[in-house]
Amino acid sequence: QVQLVESGGGVVQPGMSLRLSCAASGFAFSGNAMHWVRQAPGKGLEWVAIIWYDGSNKYYGDSVRGRFTISRDNSKNTVYLQMNSLRAEDTALYYCARDKYSRYFDYWGRGLLVTVSS
Amino acid sequence: EIVLTQSPATLSLSPGERATLSCRASQNIGTYLAWYQQKPDQAPRLLIYDASNRATGIPARVSGSGSGTDFTLTISSLEPEDFAVYYCQQRSNWPLTFGGGTKVEIK
Repeated sequence: QVQLVESGGGVVQPGMSLRLSCAASGFAFSGNAMHWVRQAPGKGLEWVAIIWYDGSNKYYGDSVRGRFTISRDNSKNTVYLQMNSLRAEDTALYYCARDKYSRYFDYWGRGLLVTVSS
Repeated sequence: EIVLTQSPATLSLSPGERATLSCRASQNIGTYLAWYQQKPDQAPRLLIYDASNRATGIPARVSGSGSGTDFTLTISSLEPEDFAVYYCQQRSNWPLTFGGGTKVEIK
């Protein structure tokens, strides 16, 4: 069955960096675009980034563009989110999600908490 | 950025009643809209894509309609497992955006 397992979250100070990983299994990873979506505590969903199945295209949400970078390693079935210049407002549960029907999300990880606080 | 406005914010209904949720887009998005359900401490689940297509495993009591700027998610007869928060999401333009959510709670 499809599984997405995020890792790398934690507590960091403002201005610092963090890299999230999402290990995928149970499907042909190299054939699917992948996303990161986040949810601040008690708030709604916010799309963060997408990477094409082959890494050839990437798009970002307005609030993270220029600070976050999405990448993937198809040999490891893993997608990454490099987060730089972190701010308090980046505090959220970060979900990895599989792209379905072109820019919807059909499978999600359990989420990973990132807390930005001094 | 396309803004999606969901209404009402909260819907208080009893099991067996009909739920009608609305999502309005700030510009024409055709039928490029999805609906998700999220329960406490769980990841969202895809219910409807491209406005009216049920995702795999979604029961027939859940349906979606609309096009352009106005969309509706209908649950014909609420089951206990349907009480949750529902989000709409558009894929017409970058960045992808979500609505603010509608909570369907037990009356």
